[in-house]
Amino acid sequence: DAKTTQPPSMDCAEGRAANLPCNHSTISGNEYVYWYRQIHSQGPQYIIHGLKNNETNEMASLIITEDRKSSTLILPHATLRDTAVYYCIVRAMNRDDKIIFGKGTRLHILP
Amino acid sequence: KAGVTQTPRYLIKTRGQQVTLSCSPISGHRSVSWYQQTPGQGLQFLFEYFSETQRNKGNFPGRFSGRQFSNSRSEMNVSTLELGDSALYLCASSSGQDNYEQYFGPGTRLTVT
Repeated sequence: DAKTTQPPSMDCAEGRAANLPCNHSTISGNEYVYWYRQIHSQGPQYIIHGLKNNETNEMASLIITEDRKSSTLILPHATLRDTAVYYCIVRAMNRDDKIIFGKGTRLHILP
Repeated sequence: KAGVTQTPRYLIKTRGQQVTLSCSPISGHRSVSWYQQTPGQGLQFLFEYFSETQRNKGNFPGRFSGRQFSNSRSEMNVSTLELGDSALYLCASSSGQDNYEQYFGPGTRLTVT
């Protein structure tokens, strides 16, 4: 079973910041938080990952709470092309831990 | 750098037949994982291969099998196809090292009639 809980869907106005929450209250100390997204009919795309510090790359920012029980993916200026299903995943740092996808959040960007 | 490629992109098979799907990972990547995606069950992990060895396995019946070649290319096989095997089959490649991210291919859409 997936170790994360996400809202099934969210709306965001184009040009605004999209903040996607994820709950991972049972996360272990050696587990990272990963985010992927899947645009319709395509394979999932890696976005970002982190352990306990906030992370930022050219696509998004990842904010992890101090207790690591939840995180938020931030798309700073959402565009219509960001319409997708966003998956939050926790995975241990050792290479033997498989990736389990949950249901994800379907993000609708409104023009 | 070329991305992950999967062949064929679309496939129609009949119940009882078998099928082989192919995946070519990103150059230099040694790990290949396979996933099944259906509307009802979402994305489900099938198995992962690293350096020609199966390193991890999901909860699928033995009809689903795979292998990896010395050039890291991978194939998965489904025998005795059932209607419920109709799905998008995704392959993902990664370096295989700790904390790695996976890069997915476009998938093979399998329809079983």
